[in-house]
Amino acid sequence: DIVMTQSPSSLAVSAGETVTINCKSSQSLLYSGNQKNYLAWYQQKPGQSPKLLIYWASTRQSGVPDRFIGSGSGTDFTLTISSVQAEDLAIYYCQQYYDTWTFGGGTKLELK
Amino acid sequence: QVQLKESGPGLVQPSQTLSLTCTVSGFSLTSYNVHWVRQPPGKGLEWMGRMRYNGDTSYNSALKSRLSISRDTSKNQVFLKMNSLQTDDTGTYYCTSTEGILNWFAYWGQGTLVTVSS
Repeated sequence: DIVMTQSPSSLAVSAGETVTINCKSSQSLLYSGNQKNYLAWYQQKPGQSPKLLIYWASTRQSGVPDRFIGSGSGTDFTLTISSVQAEDLAIYYCQQYYDTWTFGGGTKLELK
Repeated sequence: QVQLKESGPGLVQPSQTLSLTCTVSGFSLTSYNVHWVRQPPGKGLEWMGRMRYNGDTSYNSALKSRLSISRDTSKNQVFLKMNSLQTDDTGTYYCTSTEGILNWFAYWGQGTLVTVSS
């Protein structure tokens, strides 16, 4: 099974800061047949269901603000949130869908 | 619009079987894939299994021996059954669907909390 490892597990930020969340997979998520990375990012606010932010490692889901940026390839991926707003405080999960589905352990974004 | 809603017992006794239903609207089960994901209290997300648009299923290898997913397309429902429940099966259970036959989880139900306790 593919193991997804996120870092850090928690992050304290001030409004307006830029934050970076890392996700590493135990094997490459880049499929040579289409040159796409099989990775998604989700946001989960307290008491809510997860929400899809990004798929194919860097494609924003419709309606997701452009301050959410996904990048990376192969085994190393990053979610960058520029100019963090109070509404962005949540837990963020990466997920691979290259071989069945597995999630990272999550990164909790908190207010400093 | 696409909606998913989980239903089932909130409390299950240890060693018993959990039965959950996911009722969907806004799409056909013959066009979209539906997955089950669970989350223990205060912990992360775990993929459990999938009902594919064509009726095929796949399961998390760690749960495969205990888990069964089925569906009734006429009622727009997907079912989860998991036996031999233990206290560490306590958590919120979500059904979630893809857009068409893509592989990321675009739509989520509200989740249903299942507590395993005597």
